[in-house]
Amino acid sequence: DIQMTQSPHSLSASLGETVSIECLASEGISNYLAWYQQKPGKSPQLLIYYASSLQDGVPSRFSGSGSGTQYSLKISNMQPEDEGVYYCQQGYKYPYTFGAGTKLELK
Amino acid sequence: QVTLKESGPGILQPSQTLSLTCTFSGFSLSTYGMGVGWIRQPSGKGLEWLANIWWDDDKYYNPSLKNRLTISKDTSNNQAFLKITNVDTADTATYYCARIDVYYGFDYWGQGVMVTVSS
Repeated sequence: DIQMTQSPHSLSASLGETVSIECLASEGISNYLAWYQQKPGKSPQLLIYYASSLQDGVPSRFSGSGSGTQYSLKISNMQPEDEGVYYCQQGYKYPYTFGAGTKLELK
Repeated sequence: QVTLKESGPGILQPSQTLSLTCTFSGFSLSTYGMGVGWIRQPSGKGLEWLANIWWDDDKYYNPSLKNRLTISKDTSNNQAFLKITNVDTADTATYYCARIDVYYGFDYWGQGVMVTVSS
């Protein structure tokens, strides 16, 4: 199985700050990498697909980058509604696997 | 508008079979390239992919569940199903169904159904 190592486990950011979350795959995944945001009691919401494509309706302050085994999610201009848990997921090879999640809080 | 909704028994006993239904609208599982997946999440924990089914009836399972999973679909009624046999307390979780996008992520999710396995 492809292991997805996500870091950091948690972080806090001030209003307007820029934060980054990293995801390292145990082998190359050819950009088949998605990022999700999950708020308490809610379903995950797709933010980024194919490593860097912004899902319709997602604010442009979210961006994704990376290639090979290393990927990152950047949130610019942190807003209160950005609090939640963020997951990466690879769809390159079965079984699909998720990172353990990063909890983002407003400082 | 794409929507998905899961339904299930709520609570069941160890060793029983869990049957879940995903009823969706806004797309068809008979359309080329379409797929639906099942993902679960124990309370306070991360996401675990379980299975996918595709428009051509191709099926893929998470081998960590050791042949306990069966995924199927009813194209006419826009439903997908997941069965998990011989459940135990470790199967207690919220179960989600989601549509698979063209880059193998999940672009639309159901609200989830909570399943508790308890004697």
